[in-house]
Amino acid sequence: TQLLEQSPQFLSIQEGENLTVYCNSSSVFSSLQWYRQEPGEGPVLLVTVVTGGEVKKLKRLTFQFGDARKDSSLHITAAQPGDTGLYLCAGETRSGTYKYIFGTGTRLKVLA
Amino acid sequence: DADVTQTPRNRITKTGKRIMLECSQTKGHDRMYWYRQDPGLGLRLIYYSFDVKDINKGEISDGYSVSRQAQAKFSLSLESAIPNQTALYFCATSVGSQPQHFGDGTRLSIL
Repeated sequence: TQLLEQSPQFLSIQEGENLTVYCNSSSVFSSLQWYRQEPGEGPVLLVTVVTGGEVKKLKRLTFQFGDARKDSSLHITAAQPGDTGLYLCAGETRSGTYKYIFGTGTRLKVLA
Repeated sequence: DADVTQTPRNRITKTGKRIMLECSQTKGHDRMYWYRQDPGLGLRLIYYSFDVKDINKGEISDGYSVSRQAQAKFSLSLESAIPNQTALYFCATSVGSQPQHFGDGTRLSIL
């Protein structure tokens, strides 16, 4: 079974702090996505990374795809209460049949 | 109006009942997906459809069926609901093979 493991599972920090969320697998992904989900809503796509070693920035969020395309990280600089939510990584593998799997999520709470 | 609309938003029903969850989209996307979300397990793919005539089983299709009535409509059925199908269900659409737009979910409780 292919797994995408996220760490940490839960994170509670003060406004202004930095944090990093990790997404790891033993499988190689053709692409990897990060989503944010808020209570009562569906996940919202934040970014797609495709190339090994790729770094993408979205305001205070920095996403990196591992060189071997097996892992990814999300770094938030100067976290704000509006960053609170469930962060999900997900990836597609190319193994003959379509396979797209989600990580178990990191629940982030930023305290004012 | 939402791009991906799921109905109902909440449903409580009894074991053995047949239930249909509906999804409609205004994105014009060919690809549609059904997921369930359980605490600690993330989202798991139930079925997906890459066009109107294409239906494929996902990771956890047992106990579920789907119908793609039109490009814009994709419904999920539980033929005989059981308590371990209690979960949050999401419909999603995409242009490529990564789901991009999710509905706001249906919270389903089976007693």
